[in-house]
Amino acid sequence: DVKVTQSSRYLVKRTGEKVFLECVQDMDHENMFWYRQDPGLGLRLIYFSYDVKMKEKGDIPEGYSVSREKKERFSLILESASTNQTSMYLCASNLSGEGSYNEQFFGPGTRLTVL
Amino acid sequence: GQNIDQPTEMTATEGAIVQINCTYQTSGFNGLFWYQQHAGEAPTFLSYNVLDGLEEKGRFSSFLSRSKGYSYLLLKELQMKDSASYLCAVTPGWGKLQFGAGTQVVVTP
Repeated sequence: DVKVTQSSRYLVKRTGEKVFLECVQDMDHENMFWYRQDPGLGLRLIYFSYDVKMKEKGDIPEGYSVSREKKERFSLILESASTNQTSMYLCASNLSGEGSYNEQFFGPGTRLTVL
Repeated sequence: GQNIDQPTEMTATEGAIVQINCTYQTSGFNGLFWYQQHAGEAPTFLSYNVLDGLEEKGRFSSFLSRSKGYSYLLLKELQMKDSASYLCAVTPGWGKLQFGAGTQVVVTP
């Protein structure tokens, strides 16, 4: 059974804290993604990685960074958390290539609240 | 620019049919996905279309017209468990997805 796991379901942090969100997939996927999901805005891509140590900015990278030291693990880092980063964060992974193989598999999400 | 539009909410009764439309304008197109997302859960894959036409999968069907930049997801014989958000997503390739804001479907008894 394919699986994407995220380190926390719920997280509460204070403004200015450094926050780490971890994602692990067990499907040997090349690509991994971080999204945030907000009401009325849908899923917006923050960063993605197509290989170990490789990363590319998505649509809203400001205030975030990422790390991919191992193929199965992709970390999202909020360098200095702010209240406007309160959101649901979803990690996903898929195989590289085209067609229906692009199907992304999602983790359960982390609901982050920044006070 | 990139634009993917779908209605915000639709309501239908149990046993009925609902059609969720999605129109898109994207800089690249290599297929269109539909995902289902129940409240508080991860999105799960429903369908993928890359060629024009209708793909049927049980109670769910998905249609694509590339020339019109248009797709729909058809849900037949609605059940209460179909109450969820339905996400339309376009892939420009390289494994990436561009999502619409989602359509909340409410199924009433």
